[in-house]
Amino acid sequence: GAVVSQHPSRVICKSGTSVKIECRSLDFQATTMFWYRQFPKQSLMLMATSNEGSKATYEQGVEKDKFLINHASLTLSTLTVTSAHPEDSSFYICSAGLALQETQYFGPGTRLLVL
Amino acid sequence: GENVEQHPSTLSVQEGDSAVIKCTYSDSASNYFPWYKQELGKRPQLIIDIRSNVGEKKDQRIAVTLNKTAKHFSLHITETQPEDSAVYFCAAHLAGTALIFGKGTTLSVSS
Repeated sequence: GAVVSQHPSRVICKSGTSVKIECRSLDFQATTMFWYRQFPKQSLMLMATSNEGSKATYEQGVEKDKFLINHASLTLSTLTVTSAHPEDSSFYICSAGLALQETQYFGPGTRLLVL
Repeated sequence: GENVEQHPSTLSVQEGDSAVIKCTYSDSASNYFPWYKQELGKRPQLIIDIRSNVGEKKDQRIAVTLNKTAKHFSLHITETQPEDSAVYFCAAHLAGTALIFGKGTTLSVSS
C-alpha cells in the first residue's frame, strides 16, 4: 500500500516553544491530509483537514492559531504547534489517501512531550 | 457530522474464544467502515474493512458485518490468540473525508 512518513518520531521541547511536524506521502500525491491527536488510552481525534493550496479546515475546539497547518505541496503537510504547553503533549498522527479513495494511510506518528 | 459509538471499552477473553466488538454510526452518507488494531505507541493498522454495498466480509479469523439500516457494524475475531491483544478501533467515513473513530476497545486474550 501507499506509504506516509512523519518526522520527527518524537520530540521534547520546553513550554512556550514551537514544534513543527512533517507529514509526507512518499509514493502518491495527496490533495488532502488529515491530522489527528491521540492522548494516552484514548481514541484518535480529528484535529483538522489539510487541503493542498488552501486553508485547513479545523474541527470544533481546535485552535487554528495554535495549530498551524500548511499543505504547500501534494506530498507534504506540516503541523506547527505554536507556544506549546504541557497539555499539548500527545501523539500526533497524520493520514492521507488517494483522491476519493476510501483507504487512509497513516504516518507512524509523532510523540510530543512539552516540559 | 459523523459520530461513532463503540462497545465494549474493554473485553477479556480466554485464548480460543471469540471476541465481538460493536459500533454504531450516525451519518447515513458514510460508505466505508474500517477496523484498526493499534499496539502501544504505534500507528493504527488496518485489519479489515467493509463497504456499504456489502453486508459481510471475512478474512481468516476476522470478519466484519454491516447493517446499513440499523447503522451498525461489528468485528468478529474467532479462535483468539494472545497476539490479538491490542486496542481495536472502528471508524466510519464517506470516501475522501476524514475517518471518524470510535473510542476503542482494549482486547485482552489470556492463555
